[in-house]
Amino acid sequence: QKEVEQDPGPLSVPEGAIVSLNCTYSNSAFQYFMWYRQYSRKGPELLMYTYSSGNKEDGRFTAQVDKSSKYISLFIRDSQPSDSATYLCAMSGPGGGNKLTFGTGTQLKVEL
Amino acid sequence: SQTIHQWPATLVQPVGSPLSLECTVEGTSNPNLYWYRQAAGRGLQLLFYSVGIGQISSEVPQNLSASRPQDRQFILSSKKLLLSDSGFYLCAWSLGGPPGNEQFFGPGTRLTVL
Repeated sequence: QKEVEQDPGPLSVPEGAIVSLNCTYSNSAFQYFMWYRQYSRKGPELLMYTYSSGNKEDGRFTAQVDKSSKYISLFIRDSQPSDSATYLCAMSGPGGGNKLTFGTGTQLKVEL
Repeated sequence: SQTIHQWPATLVQPVGSPLSLECTVEGTSNPNLYWYRQAAGRGLQLLFYSVGIGQISSEVPQNLSASRPQDRQFILSSKKLLLSDSGFYLCAWSLGGPPGNEQFFGPGTRLTVL
């Protein structure tokens, strides 16, 4: 079993839809959670960073963490074609030397 | 603000040839530095990380090596490339110190070994 599981997609939605992207993890030591957006042939870009259970909102993006269920989500409201990218979840815990464990990424396509 | 550079952006090399990829960070001191390889559908694989000059930790035994000759310079090398070394190589940095710091990625180098 992988430490972090993420549905690879592809996920195709119409413009304006609410998108839900999810990751599950098995290591209860993970305390810090990140979402990255990666456009084709580019490096990942940090979108959201959280370290506690609950919700964190930034513009059209909301990151949700449920440590009891070992489940994190990224919601995108009013999705736009420019949101079309691969979204990677990442997480780390104490003793890891700031090393991150990544999901394999979910490919999202927002269609006009 | 901090900036991370990688070069070259694209590289095509024959099997058996040497490799040197360079990464530099500006705007911060004593960062943690990382090399990742990304293969299609397989996510990001951590290859090496460094918490200081000359300090390298290898995550996966392989045909590659890394060096950190200066505080903000990280180099990925190989003496003889294999076909399986093809991929998208990403350098990243984070602040040192306590765990939980975010990592910031460079633009990547796409390596094709023929």
